[in-house]
Amino acid sequence: NAGVTQTPKFQVLKTGQSMTLQCAQDMNHNSMYWYRQDPGMGLRLIYYSASEGTTDKGEVPNGYNVSRLNKREFSLRLESAAPSQTSVYFCATGQNGELFFGEGSRLTVL
Amino acid sequence: GESVGLHLPTLSVQEGDNSIINCAYSNSASDYFIWYKQESGKGPQFIIDIRSNMDKRQGQRVTVLLNKTVKHLSLQIAATQPGDSAVYFCAERAGANNLFFGTGTRLTVIP
Repeated sequence: NAGVTQTPKFQVLKTGQSMTLQCAQDMNHNSMYWYRQDPGMGLRLIYYSASEGTTDKGEVPNGYNVSRLNKREFSLRLESAAPSQTSVYFCATGQNGELFFGEGSRLTVL
Repeated sequence: GESVGLHLPTLSVQEGDNSIINCAYSNSASDYFIWYKQESGKGPQFIIDIRSNMDKRQGQRVTVLLNKTVKHLSLQIAATQPGDSAVYFCAERAGANNLFFGTGTRLTVIP
């Protein structure tokens, strides 16, 4: 029972490159989330998915797209990476308010 | 917009002492609050939660206090241990699917 699994853990991109962060959960929760964490700013919600087949924007969705592939998987895509997207990205799942987070994916955009 | 803040960005305590971490929030419509602990290189981990119809909730060595009058939340850790060293975040929920997180307080426990 792994909980929430994110890949990759580390990635370095050049400006303009694209990439997808993968997330899978084995907790059978309906809701899944993508957050970014920047120094001094806490965690900010990028996108969330309340259930399979639905996605909604969070606080900071610009520059990102998401796909809720099935109940287990929720991916985050950067189509054209920018240095401002250098951050640590966390996937989470939960119900009734309590969230369970993955270990994070550290992305650097040069 | 939402505002979830912490009074102290860092806190150092002696092992065995009690710790108090404070958090202010601004949205009076928030109905649910959570404290998370984040150790270096890991994702946040749930510690304790409290609903807006309560003013106190206790867990194992932790207590959360909610003062809705002044929109203040605190986390008390009893008999602080070195393993408690981490960054602590408060979060508030004002809608069905979004938690707003504070900027965090770094707790350092001095052996």
